[in-house]
Amino acid sequence: KAGVTQTPRYLIKTRGQQVTLSCSPISGHRSVSWYQQTPGQGLQFLFEYFSETQRNKGNFPGRFSGRQFSNSRSEMNVSTLELGDSALYLCAGTRGPLRPGANVLTFGAGSRLTVL
Amino acid sequence: GENVEQHPSTLSVQEGDSAVIKCTYSDSASNYFPWYKQELGKGPQLIIDIRSNVGEKKDQRIAVTLNKTAKHFSLHITETQPEDSAVYFCAASGGADGLTFGKGTHLIIQP
Repeated sequence: KAGVTQTPRYLIKTRGQQVTLSCSPISGHRSVSWYQQTPGQGLQFLFEYFSETQRNKGNFPGRFSGRQFSNSRSEMNVSTLELGDSALYLCAGTRGPLRPGANVLTFGAGSRLTVL
Repeated sequence: GENVEQHPSTLSVQEGDSAVIKCTYSDSASNYFPWYKQELGKGPQLIIDIRSNVGEKKDQRIAVTLNKTAKHFSLHITETQPEDSAVYFCAASGGADGLTFGKGTHLIIQP
């Protein structure tokens, strides 16, 4: 059974550029959530997509956006990059939409973004 | 929204000893409490979870306890082994925005 695939695994950008990250969940997982992981803040929820619709959004500026395709693959985009956007970006899949009480997430290995 | 506090941030134990990581949460509506383990270069992986109608759950060397009145839950690892070295995250879920994670505990197993 293939795991969650995130590409690229590593990338370096400069301030002001934009970046697009990709996530393919495991087969049967229709919900994709994105998290930003930094040493100081831990794992912070960015947004969740289910059936090509954004269902929930965390407390991040509008520079962070995403989308989901009909095959459940998801992309997230960060525009006008800032130094503070340097982080590991993790996506996680789950079978159904996120709901209170039972969200077993299957994570990918992440995309490590460095902004210079 | 939910807020999860996790302690300690770093824990060093001798191989074979026990390790305990503690978390508190703020939202009394939260009813699902998973623990994830993240090894170097990998994404977090679920190791055990507990729901609010249960006080304790055990899986081999790993156990989780939940005190809903005090709003805290703990991870217990007994007979620690080198492969237990990793970062551990607790989380709480009860709202529509999925899981809220603690900031993680770096567990170091000393040989």
